[in-house]
Amino acid sequence: GAGVSQTPSNKVTEKGKYVELRCDPISGHTALYWYRQSLGQGPEFLIYFQGTGAADDSGLPNDRFFAVRPEGSVSTLKIQRTERGDSAVYLCASSLVGVSGANVLTFGAGSRLTVL
Amino acid sequence: GQQLNQSPQSMFIQEGEDVSMNCTSSSIFNTWLWYKQEPGEGPVLLIALYKAGELTSNGRLTAQFGITRKDSFLNISASIPSDVGIYFCAGHDKIIFGKGTRLHILP
Repeated sequence: GAGVSQTPSNKVTEKGKYVELRCDPISGHTALYWYRQSLGQGPEFLIYFQGTGAADDSGLPNDRFFAVRPEGSVSTLKIQRTERGDSAVYLCASSLVGVSGANVLTFGAGSRLTVL
Repeated sequence: GQQLNQSPQSMFIQEGEDVSMNCTSSSIFNTWLWYKQEPGEGPVLLIALYKAGELTSNGRLTAQFGITRKDSFLNISASIPSDVGIYFCAGHDKIIFGKGTRLHILP
């Protein structure tokens, strides 16, 4: 597509539930990133994919968070047993080359997650 | 871990004024990026800097990559209402973002 598409744009869930957030990157972009942005803060790095593999998942806060990119295109961020502190905007970005290159990230509009 | 410090956190200026904001880090970065974010949107790239000392312009925006590779500044000349938003610096290797500078323009 023309840009990075994220769904859903808004998700309200209850504490303890499971949530999936989807990212459809720009066609042909090999690198895909997930960030989390809390109110009044900058985007916080979660995980970076180069192709199908997670090249760096050091930003995932704990084992309730997991992300996949099985075919090297669409990615899903999965959050188990959601907590109120997980409430944030989850941003996805993609780029043509990976971290080692002079990449430029194109961001989606984000998925706003609210955990009640 | 790596952290970026942006200042000022917030700015209130008159339309037509010039704006300057900066970003510093305790770590060296190989690339500095400046993004702007508007409500309900993801950050949009304004300027990318790839070499220490590099000075790059994009319309009314000018940014420089510090010689030490630990800092960068962004200037906006003759501000207009559509410049309102949050400006983030980002350092690359892992694309670490600062907390942003919120720009408000007074009529």
